[in-house]
Amino acid sequence: NAGVTQTPKFRILKIGQSMTLQCAQDMNHNYMYWYRQDPGMGLKLIYYSVGAGITDKGEVPNGYNVSRSTTEDFPLRLELAAPSQTSVYFCASRAGTGAEQYFGPGTRLTVT
Amino acid sequence: AQKITQTQPGMFVQEKEAVTLDCTYDTSDPSYGLFWYKQPSSGEMIFLIYQGSYDQQNATEGRYSLNFQKARKSANLVISASQLGDSAMYFCAMREGDDYKLSFGAGTTVTVRA
Repeated sequence: NAGVTQTPKFRILKIGQSMTLQCAQDMNHNYMYWYRQDPGMGLKLIYYSVGAGITDKGEVPNGYNVSRSTTEDFPLRLELAAPSQTSVYFCASRAGTGAEQYFGPGTRLTVT
Repeated sequence: AQKITQTQPGMFVQEKEAVTLDCTYDTSDPSYGLFWYKQPSSGEMIFLIYQGSYDQQNATEGRYSLNFQKARKSANLVISASQLGDSAMYFCAMREGDDYKLSFGAGTTVTVRA
């Protein structure tokens, strides 16, 4: 199993550009999450999904959108990039049973 | 209000000694859980240990143990016999309810000295 994969690893965006951060998991997990980590800080939840077709907002959803058309994929969309979205983005997944969330390696995004 | 508070921004520990990382939490949900994650300089998030609010015994995983004091709302991580590879940032996190959305503390940096 590859676990949770994220692409790209690094990206530099100009203000106002759009992009999609990709996240995929091959563990057949129902639950998937997007977090962001600002420098020197803990992670904050952006969006999450409890299954295909179901998504909900987390603590910091503004400026982002998500979709969950399949169990495996949970892309995060930035429509109009702003410098405040410079961060490291982590995707995670969890089975319906068990507590552990499995994290991807992260995407480092810089908006200039 | 902060749901998770980690008051120690940085700690130094001698190799082979034990270190305790503090974590206090705030919730009114009777069903919750506390996690500890390790983040080395390479950036990945590594799950260490989990304690559910209804668990009767403190969680242990190898050299990691969680000192869960429910009345005090604290969930301190104890790392025994520290190794150089334990140098990292450590995050305490809490889930509330069944969706397992996590709230993270600001983290504690641990540096192990030879």
